[in-house]
Amino acid sequence: NAGVMQNPRHLVRRRGQEARLRCSPMKGHSHVYWYRQLPEEGLKFMVYLQKENIIDESGMPKERFSAEFPKEGPSILRIQQVVRGDSAAYFCASSPRTSGGPEEETQYFGPGTRLLVL
Amino acid sequence: AQTVTQSQPEMSVQEAETVTLSCTYDTSESDYYLFWYKQPPSRQMILVIRQEAYKQQNATENRFSVNFQKAAKSFSLKISDSQLGDAAMYFCAYRSAENAGNMLTFGGGTRLMVKP
Repeated sequence: NAGVMQNPRHLVRRRGQEARLRCSPMKGHSHVYWYRQLPEEGLKFMVYLQKENIIDESGMPKERFSAEFPKEGPSILRIQQVVRGDSAAYFCASSPRTSGGPEEETQYFGPGTRLLVL
Repeated sequence: AQTVTQSQPEMSVQEAETVTLSCTYDTSESDYYLFWYKQPPSRQMILVIRQEAYKQQNATENRFSVNFQKAAKSFSLKISDSQLGDAAMYFCAYRSAENAGNMLTFGGGTRLMVKP
């Protein structure tokens, strides 16, 4: 069973460009979470999605950031008009469910995408 | 809102010795999960151990065990027989089991160094 897949692993963008980060959850997982890790800090929650639905986006910046998890295909975190402060590691996690016990609710992480904005 | 605090930015342990990493949290909820994740230099987040708040028994996974003190809101990680491969950042995390929000709240991390 493949783990959570993220691509690209490294992404370099110039200020003002768009960044698209992709996440494929583990097989059988229908819940996806995005987290951001700034240098030397812990991970901060951004958004929680199920297929075709955004459940909680309380951690997303109000502007330039959007996320989707379509019926088919990976989840996408999109950052428009990137700025240097967007440079960070972006992690995706998935879980089978959000209720039903600890194993069902544990989040498993992908390897992250390291975004560098020049 | 819940907060998670790791008061030790760095810890060091001799190979084969035991080390304890501290974590405290603040919540008004009674049902929740606590986790320790390991982040080696590869930056991959690896689940180390999980504790359900309704369980009094401390979780163990091979050389890793926790000391869960619910009343004190403390959740420390003990690593026995430390190995060089244990060197990494360790993050403590909280997740509510009561509310709709399913996000993990992380502490700031502890960098563990293992000396040969």
